[in-house]
Amino acid sequence: NAGVTQTPKFRVLKTGQSMTLLCAQDMNHEYMYWYRQDPGMGLRLIHYSVGEGTTAKGEVPDGYNVSRLKKQNFLLGLESAAPSQTSVYFCASSYEGTRDFFGPGTRLTVL
Amino acid sequence: DQQVKQNSPSLSVQEGRISILNCDYTNSMFDYFLWYKKYPAEGPTFLISISSIKDKNEDGRFTVFLNKSAKHLSLHIVPSQPGDSAVYFCAAPDLNTGNQFYFGTGTSLTVIP
Repeated sequence: NAGVTQTPKFRVLKTGQSMTLLCAQDMNHEYMYWYRQDPGMGLRLIHYSVGEGTTAKGEVPDGYNVSRLKKQNFLLGLESAAPSQTSVYFCASSYEGTRDFFGPGTRLTVL
Repeated sequence: DQQVKQNSPSLSVQEGRISILNCDYTNSMFDYFLWYKKYPAEGPTFLISISSIKDKNEDGRFTVFLNKSAKHLSLHIVPSQPGDSAVYFCAAPDLNTGNQFYFGTGTSLTVIP
């Protein structure tokens, strides 16, 4: 039982490049979330999903897209990376939205 | 607008003493609150929660208090141990809008041996 896993753990991009962050959970959770953590800002919700095939915007969705084609996976895409997207990204899942289980994070640097 | 606030970015406490971490919220519709603990280079892990029907929830050395009228909650750690040194986040899910979680900015606790 791996819980929530994230791929990759670290990544460096140049401005304008694109990439996809993968989140996988093996707990059969309906809800999945993508957060970013920046110094002094806490955790901010980017996008979330309440079930397979559904996605919704969170607090800071601009510049990101997501897809939930399979219940266990939640992908976060950056189409054209910007330095402002340098952050640590956390994926989380929950059974009924009452408690998040977090992945270990992805540290992304955009040069 | 920050719906969940932690106004103390850091706190230092002697081992064995009490640690008190505070959190304020603005949305009176929040009725469930959580505390998460985060070590460096790891994801946050759930610590303790409280429902608005209670004013206190205790789990071992950790107790969370909720004052609904003041829109304030606090986490007490007694006695504090060096292994408690971490960043603590309070959070509240908005159960009316698809379970978005709102997190505070975190308080970095250092327990001095």
